[in-house]
Amino acid sequence: AQKITQTQPGMFVQEKEAVTLDCTYDTSDQSYGLFWYKQPSSGEMIFLIYQGSYDEQNATEGRYSLNFQKARKSANLVISASQLGDSAMYFCAMRETDYGGATNKLIFGTGTLLAVQP
Amino acid sequence: ETGVTQSPTHLIKTRGQQVTLRCSSQSGHNTVSWYQQALGQGPQFIFQYYREEENGRGNFPPRFSGLQFPNYSSELNVNALELDDSALYLCASSHSASGEETQYFGPGTRLLVL
Repeated sequence: AQKITQTQPGMFVQEKEAVTLDCTYDTSDQSYGLFWYKQPSSGEMIFLIYQGSYDEQNATEGRYSLNFQKARKSANLVISASQLGDSAMYFCAMRETDYGGATNKLIFGTGTLLAVQP
Repeated sequence: ETGVTQSPTHLIKTRGQQVTLRCSSQSGHNTVSWYQQALGQGPQFIFQYYREEENGRGNFPPRFSGLQFPNYSSELNVNALELDDSALYLCASSHSASGEETQYFGPGTRLLVL
């Protein structure tokens, strides 16, 4: 079964510094997708970045980049120049396709709570 | 472009009651997925709807049921509520086609069962 592991329950970072949030995954599929979402205290899950298993380049979206190491099965999120508004819960997720390819569901990790300090 | 909306935002029910949660998908999206997020955990997949039919289901009992309407909006119904059903219920919409199929989430409905 597919699984996402986030080993950092909480992280602190100083404003304007970079931070890396760890994510490892387990799958036997050759084709898969990896996502990072941000969840502020309000509860909404905000999509940040996507990496496909066949993408040769690491994904980047503004201050977010995904350090994808396929052989190690890791997909770490790097946030550059942290801002106070980055304080939130961050979830790594993997798309699992089943039911003959009809269903695409997300498998989530347990999350990392990031606190940005001024 | 209108994002995913959910209603109500908060709900308090008592054990044994029934509840209906609603979700409007993002413009252009034809697939809706529902997730349950218990306190301190990641979201768990409940089920997915595509073209008004259930398209896959997670490890949830039959008292969790849903609907999708022709405009792609969706409802989640939970019968015979239990205390453990207290959670944040998230709806996500996507467009089923080859490729990324990113799921975009709504703000969620917080359900408290007393």
